[in-house]
Amino acid sequence: GDSVTQMEGPVTLSEEAFLTINCTYTATGYPSLFWYVQYPGEGLQLLLKATKADDKGSNKGFEATYRKETTSFHLEKGSVQVSDSAVYFCALSEKTGRRALTFGSGTRLQVQP
Amino acid sequence: NAGVMQNPRHLVRRRGQEARLRCSPMKGHSHVYWYRQLPEEGLKFMVYLQKENIIDESGMPKERFSAEFPKEGPSILRIQQVVRGDSAAYFCASSPGTGLSGNTIYFGEGSWLTVV
Repeated sequence: GDSVTQMEGPVTLSEEAFLTINCTYTATGYPSLFWYVQYPGEGLQLLLKATKADDKGSNKGFEATYRKETTSFHLEKGSVQVSDSAVYFCALSEKTGRRALTFGSGTRLQVQP
Repeated sequence: NAGVMQNPRHLVRRRGQEARLRCSPMKGHSHVYWYRQLPEEGLKFMVYLQKENIIDESGMPKERFSAEFPKEGPSILRIQQVVRGDSAAYFCASSPGTGLSGNTIYFGEGSWLTVV
């Protein structure tokens, strides 16, 4: 079945540091890939997505590129801020059939001033 | 366009009571999903519904849990005879189901159930 593997957290960075959160996936089909962010006590917000190989999703300074050859969708940001502190979830969804999202376990990011 | 609306945001129930969580999908969305998030854990898929139909309930516990998405009105996740282990955040999500973004899923803000 489908699965998503994320690097374990917490990831602790200083403000303005470079961020990478690794995500790899296994899928039977040709899925769409997503990053969601969850701030404390809140729901999940869609951060970015990519629907086909070599697509780059981007939003709020975050980027991730759909790499079919390495089955990866790593999240990056060039300069993190304290306000980026949250839990980040990588997820995939098949385009047909079972459309429900399969999530990774989440990576907590803590940015220190 | 209003987002996915869930209520109540917080619910406290005593052991043995029933919990009902409601979800109104985004306008134009015909697909609804329920997920559960236990403390300090990721989200686990529970059930996927379209109007009046359960498409995939492979993540639902076999007993005490049920879900519906009637022709009119919100989707309901019902938990009977709650136990302390049911304490969690329950997230509803919706998607259009068709089109290029048909499988882009948007989440509500969640309903936090506490069983005392």
